[in-house]
Amino acid sequence: GAGVSQTPSNKVTEKGKYVELRCDPISGHTALYWYRQSLGQGPEFLIYFQGTGAADDSGLPNDRFFAVRPEGSVSTLKIQRTERGDSAVYLCASSWGAGQPQHFGDGTRLSIL
Amino acid sequence: AQKITQTQPGMFVQEKEAVTLDCTYDTSDPSYGLFWYKQPSSGEMIFLIYQGSYDQQNATEGRYSLNFQKARKSANLVISASQLGDSAMYFCAMREKLPGYALNFGKGTSLLVTP
Repeated sequence: GAGVSQTPSNKVTEKGKYVELRCDPISGHTALYWYRQSLGQGPEFLIYFQGTGAADDSGLPNDRFFAVRPEGSVSTLKIQRTERGDSAVYLCASSWGAGQPQHFGDGTRLSIL
Repeated sequence: AQKITQTQPGMFVQEKEAVTLDCTYDTSDPSYGLFWYKQPSSGEMIFLIYQGSYDQQNATEGRYSLNFQKARKSANLVISASQLGDSAMYFCAMREKLPGYALNFGKGTSLLVTP
């Protein structure tokens, strides 16, 4: 499809495990953002990529969270030693450039048991 | 401090009527953008409308219009001729230069359109 694709759509894992969440942005979009949405809240910014580099990772809550975008397209959000508080919907968005309207994927619902 | 404030947790509107969803914002950045997104129960975030801080005219997109009052720092969304399919969460968001033009979202307003 032409939209932002996120996989998996749902992920259930045990506390302490490692997880990877994948985002495939709209073709040609250079800016890519990760957000986290907790129940009943609006999405909160995690990290922003312009091309291959993490231009701003000030929203990552701690060093258990890391994200990469090695070829400037697909991005992976990695969470080590997961905690129950990490349970949320993780949203990816892409845009033609920083400041342009962002188009969101359907999200990955992460549940930590 | 909350940068985007949506004071209406829930709203009801009858089909075919117009409804206004409130949003106020706080920024010292002279160049910013304001967005509205719709999130149905299925979870996807759907972009509705955008207003730039330097835009002189209020943005409109079909049945959506943005009532931008810069001096009051408000950016209310007006939905005309409501339809049952408009029932969803609506989020107001602001884009500033930092961090990385990322969106700062409000807590959302749940809109229910009744027959």
